[in-house]
Amino acid sequence: EAQVTQNPRYLITVTGKKLTVTCSQNMNHEYMSWYRQDPGLGLRQIYYSMNVEVTDKGDVPEGYKVSRKEKRNFPLILESPSPNQTSLYFCASSISAGSYNSPLHFGNGTRLTVT
Amino acid sequence: GENVEQHPSTLSVQEGDSAVIKCTYSDSASNYFPWYKQELGKRPQLIIDIRSNVGEKKDQRIAVTLNKTAKHFSLHITETQPEDSAVYFCAACDDSGGYNKLIFGAGTRLAVHP
Repeated sequence: EAQVTQNPRYLITVTGKKLTVTCSQNMNHEYMSWYRQDPGLGLRQIYYSMNVEVTDKGDVPEGYKVSRKEKRNFPLILESPSPNQTSLYFCASSISAGSYNSPLHFGNGTRLTVT
Repeated sequence: GENVEQHPSTLSVQEGDSAVIKCTYSDSASNYFPWYKQELGKRPQLIIDIRSNVGEKKDQRIAVTLNKTAKHFSLHITETQPEDSAVYFCAACDDSGGYNKLIFGAGTRLAVHP
C-alpha cells in the first residue's frame, strides 16, 4: 500500500531533550516536506526536500533540522525542543513539488508536547 | 510571496444544506488551487483541485469555482452529510517553476448537524 509513515504518533518530552520524528514513503517520490499544524494557523511548512541531499527552509524552520540521505526517508530533528514547538506535525510527499497531478500525500501526523 | 486567506473559520449547517468556503490569494502568478479535507484525528487528503485555465470543476457533491480576476476560489458542498464534517484547507501555488510551494489557508471547521 502506497503510504507515508510517520513515527511516533504521540510524543511527550521535556525542554532541551533532543528528539527525532521519522518519516518514510514507499512511492519513490522526489519531493518531501514537513508541516506543523496549529489552531487558526493552518499548515505551515518547516522544511522541504526536492530530492536526495537537497533540503531547504520553509516558512518556520527555526529550531528544526532535517536530512535527506535516502530518497524514502526525511527525518525531522529537534535538537533542543521548547514548549512553543508543541504542535501537530505532518510529513508529506509528492511526485514533484505542489503541482497538478502531483498531490501531496500526508502521513498520519505526530502530536508533540514539550513541557 | 503568496498569502491565502480562508473564510469562514467555522461553519455549521444542517444536513442536506449547502456549504460554501471561500479563499482569496495574493499572487496573480498562482495557477493551481487544491482543497484538502482533514477528518478528526486524521491526515489531510486531497478532495478536489483546479487549475487556472478552468473556471469550475465538479466531482459529485463537491465543486470548486475560480475567479482569477478577483483572485478568489471557493469550495461548494451540496446536500451535506454528517460525514462531510471535517476541517477543510484551501491552498494555492504557481506550478510553472522548478519548485512549487503550496501555501495553505488557515482552515475551515465544517460541522454538519443531522
